[in-house]
Amino acid sequence: DQQVKQNSPSLSVQEGRISILNCDYTNSMFDYFLWYKKYPAEGPTFLISISSIKDKNEDGRFTVFLNKSAKHLSLHIVPSQPGDSAVYFCAAQAAGNKLTFGGGTRVLVKP
Amino acid sequence: ETGVTQSPTHLIKTRGQQVTLRCSSQSGHNTVSWYQQALGQGPQFIFQYYREEENGRGNFPPRFSGLQFPNYSSELNVNALELDDSALYLCATNTGSPFSLSGNTIYFGEGSWLTVV
Repeated sequence: DQQVKQNSPSLSVQEGRISILNCDYTNSMFDYFLWYKKYPAEGPTFLISISSIKDKNEDGRFTVFLNKSAKHLSLHIVPSQPGDSAVYFCAAQAAGNKLTFGGGTRVLVKP
Repeated sequence: ETGVTQSPTHLIKTRGQQVTLRCSSQSGHNTVSWYQQALGQGPQFIFQYYREEENGRGNFPPRFSGLQFPNYSSELNVNALELDDSALYLCATNTGSPFSLSGNTIYFGEGSWLTVV
């Protein structure tokens, strides 16, 4: 039973354009959501997060949107840069710190 | 730089053997969690330690065990290794407690790649 799903395993985008990564969840107890970026042979690096009391959080080129009624969140990266090429994981958290991850989306930004 | 350091980075073990993976984190990070990431999948929660006691476990058998020490270091032990245990093992730490509300950013180490042959 996958409680967090990233339905697009990969995404290819041209440099300078917008990358949109999607994530769906099923557990209503999740109230904090995080995005991590992962390069090969490295651990996940925290990117941005959002609390369920908000519907948008922005940090530089990264914006996360949360639609609580649809149990859906998305990460927008604009403009996309070649260094953004990595695997992006959506993670959800309820009380207690444990993270439940999606399967990841591999992003390739073409110069 | 997350302040979370794991060792070893890579190791190869034979089926049936035992392995110990280590993690150290920065001062104040009282909670440590371990995750297993198989190839092509997202990390899966193994268990969490707070104040040197296990506090929460995912769907992993008892041959996966851990220790947390007062100096903000921890260990993951896996007994009777199986081929399916081959994965990247991630240590994650944060300042919150397991009893706190959500909202704590979790910081990961670089991981330990385990191959079981």
